[in-house]
Amino acid sequence: AAGVIQSPRHLIKEKRETATLKCYPIPRHDTVYWYQQGPGQDPQFLISFYEKMQSDKGSIPDRFSAQQFSDYHSELNMSSLELGDSALYFCASSLGRGGQYFGPGTRLTVT
Amino acid sequence: GENVEQHPSTLSVQEGDSAVIKCTYSDSASNYFPWYKQELGKGPQLIIDIRSNVGEKKDQRIAVTLNKTAKHFSLHITETQPEDSAVYFCAAPNNNAGNMLTFGGGTRLMVKP
Repeated sequence: AAGVIQSPRHLIKEKRETATLKCYPIPRHDTVYWYQQGPGQDPQFLISFYEKMQSDKGSIPDRFSAQQFSDYHSELNMSSLELGDSALYFCASSLGRGGQYFGPGTRLTVT
Repeated sequence: GENVEQHPSTLSVQEGDSAVIKCTYSDSASNYFPWYKQELGKGPQLIIDIRSNVGEKKDQRIAVTLNKTAKHFSLHITETQPEDSAVYFCAAPNNNAGNMLTFGGGTRLMVKP
């Protein structure tokens, strides 16, 4: 079965640079979620979109923004990167309030 | 918001034994409780979930029980195998209107052959 696709899988950026992470949900899923996971930590919710509208907002810094496009893929834009932004970023998708299925993640390293 | 506590943080069992991981939650309005398995370098994998209208759900060697009165739910893995070794997370929705998940701190399960 098709899964959530994330790109890139690895990304290295310097402080103060910008990064864009992409997420392609499971076909026919209408809801996308972004989570951040630090080393040895549990995933922390950042933001979600339902039918291209922002639905919930968690601990997402003001330096980050995200959107969901007409084809349901989503992008997480991160600006003025800080060392503390180094983490795994996961995208998950669901059909409405059904189970959330996670992608393989993007490992972001800020140097 | 929702607060989810998970115990134990590490669990070591012998192959073939059972493993039990427990979680408590704070929001009595929560009605959906998924469990995820995360292997090294991979994303969390949804392995089983339960909704508040049932007390138990089984899927082969995996079962989840829910006690709404006590606000706790548990994951039971029987006949453990080395490939069950991973970090397991419980989760609960953070609010009733949305579907954002709050995760427990995770349990590192090690199954020794």
